[in-house]
Amino acid sequence: DGGITQSPKYLFRKEGQNVTLSCEQNLNHDAMYWYRQDPGQGLRLIYYSQIVNDFQKGDIAEGYSVSREKKESFPLTVTSAQKNPTAFYLCASSIEHRAYGYTFGSGTRLTVV
Amino acid sequence: GENVEQHPSTLSVQEGDSAVIKCTYSDSASNYFPWYKQELGKRPQLIIDIRSNVGEKKDQRIAVTLNKTAKHFSLHITETQPEDSAVYFCAANTQTGANNLFFGTGTRLTVIP
Repeated sequence: DGGITQSPKYLFRKEGQNVTLSCEQNLNHDAMYWYRQDPGQGLRLIYYSQIVNDFQKGDIAEGYSVSREKKESFPLTVTSAQKNPTAFYLCASSIEHRAYGYTFGSGTRLTVV
Repeated sequence: GENVEQHPSTLSVQEGDSAVIKCTYSDSASNYFPWYKQELGKRPQLIIDIRSNVGEKKDQRIAVTLNKTAKHFSLHITETQPEDSAVYFCAANTQTGANNLFFGTGTRLTVIP
């Protein structure tokens, strides 16, 4: 699946629940990213991580949390504090935190029910 | 931070015609400009990119031009085919702080057979 795997493909969340989206890569990339995609708004950066045990907020980090305990994994938790979580979430990775050659996962579509 | 604007938001062309999508950016320090193609429900895939030390780059039917003075860059697709129908995103990196990619809002290209 192109070296970066997101799961699940579809996720449904009830109001007030936290949910965690998985992102795993076997490309030996140092940097990983989470983007949110809404119709007509392009891709907006939620969080990014340059190295293990370090991560930084992007433009729309409120209501989200991440961890980077392993180089291969960068899970995203959508908390109940995120008021409008329904969206398509994309994970990406790149070598040495350069903007060159992003590889994207296939995405997770989260719906609040 | 960087601000990337993309036009048009939708574009319909007859098969065989050319398509042009334009983007502007705000950060004069940006030096990397990729274009991604996203088919319905799939991940964005890099189709071409350009660095600031060149003004044009071609790859078969796809070309990208960059005008650093005016801070705009464009994607040109010639001899369009139905399989070119997708959403196209431009992006620019930022050298301010973290070297992340900022994306335009996307152009939905429809090639009419």
